Amino acid sequence: KQEVTQIPAALSVPEGENLVLNCSFTDSAIYNLQWFRQDPGKGLTSLLLIQSSQREQTSGRLNASLDKSSGRSTLYIAASQPGDSATYLCAVRPHNNAGNMLTFGGGTRLMVKP
Amino acid sequence: GAGVSQSPSNKVTEKGKDVELRCDPISGHTALYWYRQSLGQGLEFLIYFQGNSAPDKSGLPSDRFSAERTGGSVSTLTIQRTQQEDSAVYLCASSPDRRGTQYFGPGTRLLVL
Repeated sequence: KQEVTQIPAALSVPEGENLVLNCSFTDSAIYNLQWFRQDPGKGLTSLLLIQSSQREQTSGRLNASLDKSSGRSTLYIAASQPGDSATYLCAVRPHNNAGNMLTFGGGTRLMVKP
Repeated sequence: GAGVSQSPSNKVTEKGKDVELRCDPISGHTALYWYRQSLGQGLEFLIYFQGNSAPDKSGLPSDRFSAERTGGSVSTLTIQRTQQEDSAVYLCASSPDRRGTQYFGPGTRLLVL
């Protein structure tokens, strides 16, 4: 059974810092990995999706990397802003045809202080 | 364009009552998913619909939970004889196909008293 772990569970940084959020998964047979952002009381917003054949994806100040063989992904946020404060979730989709669902990590709650 | 919408946004019910939660996916998306987010359990998959294929119900926690998708669009998640442990946020997502990016709705917050 796939298990996804995110470290740290919570993180507080001053505005302007660069930061890294970590995600690890136990089964490397994945189809893709997706990073989401969730604001309090809201749904999930997709940030980046990395296919299993890719090493990284970039969108603005965000960069996500994937090392499938070691079961790890990182989300790098450059020059953090208070508006980045949210919970960040990573999720993996299995490679086999029988699996359609995403398996989520527990999330990292990020607070960026002005 | 319009995103995934869900209704109601909040629902309070008494233990033992049935509830129906609605999801309107993005137009043209063939895949639709239901997830549950509860304290201590994180985000869990419940059920998946793809086109006219039989749904993947492998995540439903008990036979009190069921879901339908009519006409390949709107979906309803029904919880019968609700229990307090059913209290959670129920999230719906859709994607253009079975492998694409999933787009989530705002969720329905269910509280069972």
